[in-house]
This record gives sequence, C-alpha cells and structure tokens, in this order.
Amino acid sequence: DTAVSQTPKYLVTQMGNDKSIKCEQNLGHDTMYWYKQDSKKFLKIMFSYNNKELIINETVPNRFSPKSPDKAHLNLHINSLELGDSAVYFCASSQATGMYSPLHFGNGTRLTVT
Amino acid sequence: TQLLEQSPQFLSIQEGENLTVYCNSSSVFSSLQWYRQEPGEGPVLLVTVVTGGEVKKLKRLTFQFGDARKDSSLHITAAQPGDTGLYLCAGERTGTASKLTFGTGTRLQVTL
Repeated sequence: DTAVSQTPKYLVTQMGNDKSIKCEQNLGHDTMYWYKQDSKKFLKIMFSYNNKELIINETVPNRFSPKSPDKAHLNLHINSLELGDSAVYFCASSQATGMYSPLHFGNGTRLTVT
Repeated sequence: TQLLEQSPQFLSIQEGENLTVYCNSSSVFSSLQWYRQEPGEGPVLLVTVVTGGEVKKLKRLTFQFGDARKDSSLHITAAQPGDTGLYLCAGERTGTASKLTFGTGTRLQVTL
C-alpha cells in the first residue's frame, strides 16, 4: 500500500564512492521529484521529472544524475560522494505540474558520507 | 536568502495550550501548503490555501492565507502530544512549474 517508496532507508559510505537511491510511486502520478533536507531540516528541490522528462534541474553538482525509466520510477545516482552530500534525500510525486498539486513524499534516505 | 521564513523555529508547550506558527515572505505566492513531518518520515500535506484571506479549519488546526498572499499562519487550539512534529509551509509561485519553495520549518513539541 506504500504510495511513494524509496530504498535504501539508510546509506553509509565513504568519500569518493558512487551510490544510488531508488524511488517508486504507485499513485499514478505524472511528476516526480528529488528533494534534499539538510541538518537544519531545510527542504530544497533538486530535480523534477514529468512523465520521464526532466523539467526542473536546480543548481546541483553534476555528480548528481537522476534517471526516470518510466513515470513511476525516479532514481538518483551520485558519483564521487563528498562529506557535504550527507543529508536526507526525499523522493516525492504529484499528480501534475499544475498549481495546487500537493506533494506525496517517501520516507527519505539518510545518506552519511564518512 | 530564505524566501519563506517561519517563526518560531522551536516551540515547546504543554498539552492544552494554544499556539500560532507564522510563515512570512516578501514574495507573492499563488498558493501555500502546510505540511507536518514526523521523525523518520516524509512531510505529509495538511492543507492548501489559494485565495488571499482564506481561512481553512482542520479539526483543531486553523490555517490562514494573508490578504496579499505573502504570508500564512497556522493556529493550533488545545495542543495534544500527537501534534508534535516539524511544521513546514511551502509556497508555489506563479509560473514556476510547480517548484515549491519550502519554509525554514517550525519544530513543535507538546508534552503532557
């Protein structure tokens, strides 16, 4: 019954490694997002895809590469991890890119880079 | 520069007390959403307000959108421990393709 699910829940890795986070939604939504929540709990959008097409790409290092194989999945690959990448990453989806579309979030992936 | 400033940042109150959380900006938003986030989980939508001056009630929670659509408030009456969490406002600006801007957050703790 989980609407937006992301894996893994926790990810601990060393600097320089490459890692991926997967996200799937079963709500039938057209739009998916990646958000980053820092240690002060501030949520900032990173990417947004609408029906597999990238529509929002914020100022994010190109070490971060999202991929959407279909509109129900949005994965995030991170190359050459750095200490500053440590955060909680949230996947979300919404019904449309139009106004007033609420976001449905996954439960987050806590990434710790040592 | 944070577009949406929330106050207070932290609030610790006892069960039964009332409280108000503010979400302020110098920018105009076409709509404003309020979310609550509990530890280890993602934010969950509480309400969306879209009209300047609009007031919405959700049981003991009252949400108001400012007349100029630059600010919003959340008032909780007779707070309960189950209200504990991180409250986030999020504004949508016209023409930004559903790119929500989140506020700085208010962490509420309600104790017995």
